[in-house]
Amino acid sequence: DARVTQTPRHKVTEMGQEVTMRCQPILGHNTVFWYRQTMMQGLELLAYFRNRAPLDDSGMPKDRFSAEMPDATLATLKIQPSEPRDSAVYFCASGLARGTDRDTQYFGPGTRLTVL
Amino acid sequence: KQEVTQIPAALSVPEGENLVLNCSFTDSAIYNLQWFRQDPGKGLTSLLLIQSSQREQTSGRLNASLDKSSGRSTLYIAASQPGDSATYLCAVDTGGFKTIFGAGTRLFVKA
Repeated sequence: DARVTQTPRHKVTEMGQEVTMRCQPILGHNTVFWYRQTMMQGLELLAYFRNRAPLDDSGMPKDRFSAEMPDATLATLKIQPSEPRDSAVYFCASGLARGTDRDTQYFGPGTRLTVL
Repeated sequence: KQEVTQIPAALSVPEGENLVLNCSFTDSAIYNLQWFRQDPGKGLTSLLLIQSSQREQTSGRLNASLDKSSGRSTLYIAASQPGDSATYLCAVDTGGFKTIFGAGTRLFVKA
């Protein structure tokens, strides 16, 4: 049963600390998305990768957030330094894109981040 | 700028009722539209994906329609069950690899 995995599932940290969230996309998928969900803003796209290359990260605060794909089985989202307003649930999703066709996005269970 | 709106924000219905959830988008130039389900504290589960060239998709008791020209999609749920209680989100793929989500409709089906 292929699924997207995310670690950690929960993270509580203090303001100013570095936070790293990890995602393992479904094997064979070539697209990875990072989303943030809050009550106020709903779901927001932070970054998008295709074939490990970042194609869009315009939704991400560049001064503190960074997203990478060191290899095809791992995507990371890092916040440094973290702030209380970063508290949210962060979702990773993966999918398969062929040319201009995009397949269903499969979501991971999310990382619930609390910054005190 | 693409905006996605879902109406109603919340809905409570008795078990067995047929219901319709609405999604509207401002820019008709889309690649596809997806309906997701989210249970409390969980991730999103894809229900139906409609490509821009399609008019509708069906899966079991669910039917989703797409009218690009009017910027609308509906999700029809037949014979609702308490297990259908969840938040339903509509998402539009705008090209440029951006996916824009609506705020969701919170559905509660009473037994």
